[in-house]
Amino acid sequence: EAGVTQFPSHSVIEKGQTVTLRCDPISGHDNLYWYRRVMGKEIKFLLHFVKESKQDESGMPNNRFLAERTGGTYSTLKVQPAELEDSGVYFCASSQDLLDEQYFGPGTRLTVT
Amino acid sequence: AQSVTQLGSHVSVSEGALVLLRCNYSSSVPPYLFWYVQYPNQGLQLLLKYTSAATLVKGINGFEAEFKKSETSFHLTKPSAHMSDAAEYFCAVSVYNFNKFYFGSGTKLNVKP
Repeated sequence: EAGVTQFPSHSVIEKGQTVTLRCDPISGHDNLYWYRRVMGKEIKFLLHFVKESKQDESGMPNNRFLAERTGGTYSTLKVQPAELEDSGVYFCASSQDLLDEQYFGPGTRLTVT
Repeated sequence: AQSVTQLGSHVSVSEGALVLLRCNYSSSVPPYLFWYVQYPNQGLQLLLKYTSAATLVKGINGFEAEFKKSETSFHLTKPSAHMSDAAEYFCAVSVYNFNKFYFGSGTKLNVKP
């Protein structure tokens, strides 16, 4: 069974540009989560989808970030326009049920210059 | 509010020596506690979890952790380090319905031959 996959693995963009990160959860997992780790600090929760619905987006930094999960399968996280402080590693995780272990992808390393 | 403190961003041990990675948490309600490990270029992998059952939790790869409510701690130990244990370790706390984790800032474990 394939694990959680994320694309791209690395992205380098200039300030003001737009970037879209993609996450493919484990097949059949209704719960999908986005987290971010900035420069060796703690991994912080961004938001949680249950199927295609946003269950909790309390961790989204501001309205430059837009997450979608059309059809309840893969999810995208768009940053527009990107700022320097958006640099970091963005992790995606999925779980089958709410009380299950979260399975993490390898992350996307975003660098904004 | 919930938070996690991992003491020591870098820990170095010799192969065969005891591994002790420290984690203290703050939670206003009974917590669920987790240790995850991240090997280079991989996603976070669950090592073990505490969900209010036995206070001594055994995980994969010979790791275990003990929940101590009086000390608000959940330290990770392994009796004998192996070279393959070199990785970054994250402690996390969750409450209520598992929908989000609060992570510590991580501890990089170096194992010397």
